[in-house]
Amino acid sequence: EVQLVESGGGLVQPGGSLRLSCAASGFTFSSYSMNWVRQAPGKGLEWISYISISRNTIYYADSVKGRFTISRDNAKHSLFLQMNSLRAEDTAVYYCVRSLEVVTPIFDYWGQGTLVTVSS
Amino acid sequence: DIQMTQSPSSLSASVGDRVAITCRASQTISSYLNWYHQKPGEAPNLLIYDASTLQSGVPSRFSGSGSGTDFTLTISSLQPEDFATYYCQQSYSTPWTFGQGTKVEIK
Repeated sequence: EVQLVESGGGLVQPGGSLRLSCAASGFTFSSYSMNWVRQAPGKGLEWISYISISRNTIYYADSVKGRFTISRDNAKHSLFLQMNSLRAEDTAVYYCVRSLEVVTPIFDYWGQGTLVTVSS
Repeated sequence: DIQMTQSPSSLSASVGDRVAITCRASQTISSYLNWYHQKPGEAPNLLIYDASTLQSGVPSRFSGSGSGTDFTLTISSLQPEDFATYYCQQSYSTPWTFGQGTKVEIK
């Protein structure tokens, strides 16, 4: 069974940093690209970052570019998101999402999410 | 960025009803359109990808159609477990963007 378990969320002050982790199991992690997608309270879904299997292709949404860094450790079946210079508008549930790449990436499995709250 | 617009934003329907949700892209996205549903407090779940391909394990009452800029998700006979929020998403180009969601509620 595919499982994606996020951790590392919490309350942080504006301007602060957090590092999210996602532990993957039930599939060959090194064979799939991965993503982070977030959802602000009561709002819709926003894709924010993608990393390819070998880490040679990385994308960010403009809203987080220059502040967030995605990474992965295939040996440890883990995905990470380093979030710096956090703002109130970054408050959201952050989902770790696997990509099924048929022709383009499709978000086929999602973790349960970890809540990040940016507030003073 | 490609804007995705869903309609309606919400709808009320009864068990057994046929329901259709539409999604329009601000530019052509070929068939790179995916549908998800999300129940309260849960993560989204992939229903259909590439406009019309049913994800493994998804009931056949769900179907998708369309190409270019206009797409439709149809539920042929609404079941109690289908009351949720539905999102379309384009995978044509980054940033991959979602529609604003359509909330399907019980009439």
